[in-house]
Amino acid sequence: DTEVTQTPKHLVMGMTNKKSLKCEQHMGHRAMYWYKQKAKKPPELMFVYSYEKLSINESVPSRFSPECPNSSLLNLHLHALQPEDSALYLCASSPNTGGYGYTFGSGTRLTVV
Amino acid sequence: KNQVEQSPQSLIILEGKNCTLQCNYTVSPFSNLRWYKQDTGRGPVSLTIMTFSENTKSNGRYTATLDADTKQSSLHITASQLSDSASYICVVTSTSGTYKYIFGTGTRLKVLA
Repeated sequence: DTEVTQTPKHLVMGMTNKKSLKCEQHMGHRAMYWYKQKAKKPPELMFVYSYEKLSINESVPSRFSPECPNSSLLNLHLHALQPEDSALYLCASSPNTGGYGYTFGSGTRLTVV
Repeated sequence: KNQVEQSPQSLIILEGKNCTLQCNYTVSPFSNLRWYKQDTGRGPVSLTIMTFSENTKSNGRYTATLDADTKQSSLHITASQLSDSASYICVVTSTSGTYKYIFGTGTRLKVLA
């Protein structure tokens, strides 16, 4: 299995809702990432997990809450989002944080109404 | 400051024609450089990865070059197809720090029939 699987593919949520994005990989990778991508812009790093521990938080608002329950799974919990949070959310993984073997998921298209 | 700049910002070509995309970087110390293809609303897919000692890397109709002295890379697409319409993103990895994965702003390619 050489894929990073993200669910759901699309999500529409209200500003008072609580939802979660899920990311799964079975490549034995020990680094996992969340990115946010707005239209026509490159991905922006949000969080990095290394060996199930949060190693980087790029000053992301607390309405985004990451969780890494085990080495294969990465969640992003969403609460009280704003319309400007609408974007494509990408998950990626790599064997470690060294910059090789980087694989992206297909993303979750999030719309906040 | 570590930066990756791509040109042109957008490009329109006719099916069957060749094209070349450019990537200039100021990232130091350098580890590797990747070219990704990203279809609209999908995650980036890796096309090539090159380290300091590699000058050329091919993947089917895609050929990437790297000049580590001038800190420039190019992606050449031969005999373009409609399915090549996408954004092409250059990403440079640095060896310093916990995580240094620096995205370029991308080139949006449109191939017309």
